[in-house]
Amino acid sequence: DSGVTQTPKHLITATGQRVTLRCSPRSGDLSVYWYQQSLDQGLQFLIQYYNGEERAKGNILERFSAQQFPDLHSELNLSSLELGDSALYFCASSPGSGIGYTFGSGTRLTVV
Amino acid sequence: AQKITQTQPGMFVQEKEAVTLDCTYDTSDPSYGLFWYKQPSSGEMIFLIYQGSYDQQNATEGRYSLNFQKARKSANLVISASQLGDSAMYFCAMREGRSGGGADGLTFGKGTHLIIQP
Repeated sequence: DSGVTQTPKHLITATGQRVTLRCSPRSGDLSVYWYQQSLDQGLQFLIQYYNGEERAKGNILERFSAQQFPDLHSELNLSSLELGDSALYFCASSPGSGIGYTFGSGTRLTVV
Repeated sequence: AQKITQTQPGMFVQEKEAVTLDCTYDTSDPSYGLFWYKQPSSGEMIFLIYQGSYDQQNATEGRYSLNFQKARKSANLVISASQLGDSAMYFCAMREGRSGGGADGLTFGKGTHLIIQP
């Protein structure tokens, strides 16, 4: 167990739907990152939050949004889902040192 | 331009041999960090080793070492005495800029699929 908890582990949904992925960071970590891993695009950085505030945006689509709550857990919302959104979505957390990034086990999203 | 380049899509290596996985990077930031992660078929991302841009010595962690050649912008991972359990995808990644609450997401290469043969 890495200390970063992602739920659910698997998700199957239909095109056009909306889903929410949840991440609890490792205890004490203030930064949360979301990554998407697909066969086409590889591992891509989506967005980072630090202590509740958005810090950086990567290749995140406008249909996707995220937030970090006061208890530091984070949610990634994916809407108007398309077949191409099928991927493994990772959450990672870091204390903000720039060295220790811990990944969760991922949520595998399948859009049918 | 790609920031992280891994030129070996796949490699086959005999068990107990040493393996070198290539990684070159591109950044104009003087402060950066380089990481290697292992992703077995089960899918989790396992941290292997870290090298900071200002570190004077090459990083080592058990059987893993990082051959850091700053002038060539190269950060190759060396696995000594490979084992069957080393079969996995290996990703090189970079953090640009200083951290401490700043923007410090990782940029990943496309990975190398390593297969260790008995």
